[in-house]
Amino acid sequence: DTEVTQTPKHLVMGMTNKKSLKCEQHMGHRAMYWYKQKAKKPPELMFVYSYEKLSINESVPSRFSPECPNSSLLNLHLHALQPEDSALYLCASSQDDREPYEQYFGPGTRLTVT
Amino acid sequence: KQEVTQIPAALSVPEGENLVLNCSFTDSAIYNLQWFRQDPGKGLTSLLLIQSSQREQTSGRLNASLDKSSGRSTLYIAASQPGDSATYLCAVRRDAGNMLTFGGGTRLMVKP
Repeated sequence: DTEVTQTPKHLVMGMTNKKSLKCEQHMGHRAMYWYKQKAKKPPELMFVYSYEKLSINESVPSRFSPECPNSSLLNLHLHALQPEDSALYLCASSQDDREPYEQYFGPGTRLTVT
Repeated sequence: KQEVTQIPAALSVPEGENLVLNCSFTDSAIYNLQWFRQDPGKGLTSLLLIQSSQREQTSGRLNASLDKSSGRSTLYIAASQPGDSATYLCAVRRDAGNMLTFGGGTRLMVKP
């Protein structure tokens, strides 16, 4: 099983809402990643979790709050977002982040902030 | 800082043509390079991964080459089909850790 799943597929939220994006993998991977992708742009790394600990935060605003409850799950909590945060949010996983293992991507969550 | 560039940004070809997508990177100290395919509004599907010690990788109608010293990789697609229409992204891994730097992508349209 080389699948990374993400829910929901689509999300529309107002600027005062609180919502969460979820990502799951059952490949035994110990590194998980959040990327943000704007239309017609390449993905940009937001966060990296390694062995359930946050190892990289690419200067992401605090209105995005990641959480890794266990080695299979990665959440991204959203609060007080801005319309410019509308994008495709991609989750990925790899065996770990200390070696250049292949990253496997999920299908993404299309987020629209109104 | 590593910069990855893909040329062309968009490409339209008739079905059956062989085509080449280009990827260049500024820092040759990479660990490996990966080619992805992305359909509109979807996630990334890994196509080929080339280690820095390798010159090329093949999968079906796809062949990716790597010239690390000149900072270039090409993705060759043989006998293109309409189902190949997608955005193709290349990404390089730095030699420390597992962070990917992506190129801007090439949007490919194969017309029947």
